Amino acid sequence: QQQVKQSPQSLIVQKGGISIINCAYENTAFDYFPWYQQFPGKGPALLIAIRPDVSEKKEGRFTISFNKSAKQFSLHIMDSQPGDSATYFCAASIVGGAGKSTFGDGTTLTVKP
Amino acid sequence: NAGVTQTPKFQVLKTGQSMTLQCAQDMNHNSMYWYRQDPGMGLRLIYYSASEGTTDKGEVPNGYNVSRLNKREFSLRLESAAPSQTSVYFCASSEGAPRASQHFGDGTRLSIL
Repeated sequence: QQQVKQSPQSLIVQKGGISIINCAYENTAFDYFPWYQQFPGKGPALLIAIRPDVSEKKEGRFTISFNKSAKQFSLHIMDSQPGDSATYFCAASIVGGAGKSTFGDGTTLTVKP
Repeated sequence: NAGVTQTPKFQVLKTGQSMTLQCAQDMNHNSMYWYRQDPGMGLRLIYYSASEGTTDKGEVPNGYNVSRLNKREFSLRLESAAPSQTSVYFCASSEGAPRASQHFGDGTRLSIL
C-alpha cells in the first residue's frame, strides 16, 4: 500500500517557467510534509517543509501548497532555472513517530535553457 | 561540518558474500535510518533506530540486519548478498520532534554480481 503518491514521474520545463509537482497521501495522521531535492550522486536534501495548520509556505522561488481536506500537497518552482534540474521527492511523516517518513517515488525535473 | 558520513561510497560483491555498510552522524541526532533507492521506486525504509539502543524494521527489512553502535553510528549488514540487493543505500538522521526532516549521507552504491 503506497501511502504517498507523487506525480508526474518526469517533467520538462523551459527556463523561466513554473514547475509543479503533486503529491497525495492517505494517512490522516501525517502532520509534517517535507520536500527533498536530490542531485545525481548525492543524497536527498531538505528543500522546504510544511505542517497542516497552514495552506501555503513560500521560500524564495519554492512554494508548497497544502490542501488538508483533499489530502494533497504540491511543490511549485517559480522562474525555473537549469540549476533546478534534479529529482524531487515529497514525503509525509508523523512528528511524534520516531521521525519516520514515507516518500513518494520521485519526480525528475529537467529545466531546458 | 560533515553531517552524515557513509562508507564505502562504492562496493562490488559476489552473491553470498557479506558486507557491512557504515554510517556516522555528528549532529547529535537521536533517530537514524537506512533506505535503499531503486530506479522509479523512491526511497524505501529498511530499518530505523529511534534512539540509541533501539532498532525497528521498516518497509523492506528482509536480508538485512542493523546495529546502533552508539548515538553517532548505525551500521547495515548484508549477511549473504543477493543480486536483488543491488541498489544505492542511504543513511539518514533526524533530530526528531518538532522537526521531522532528515539529513542524508551521499549514499553507498552497491552492486552484487
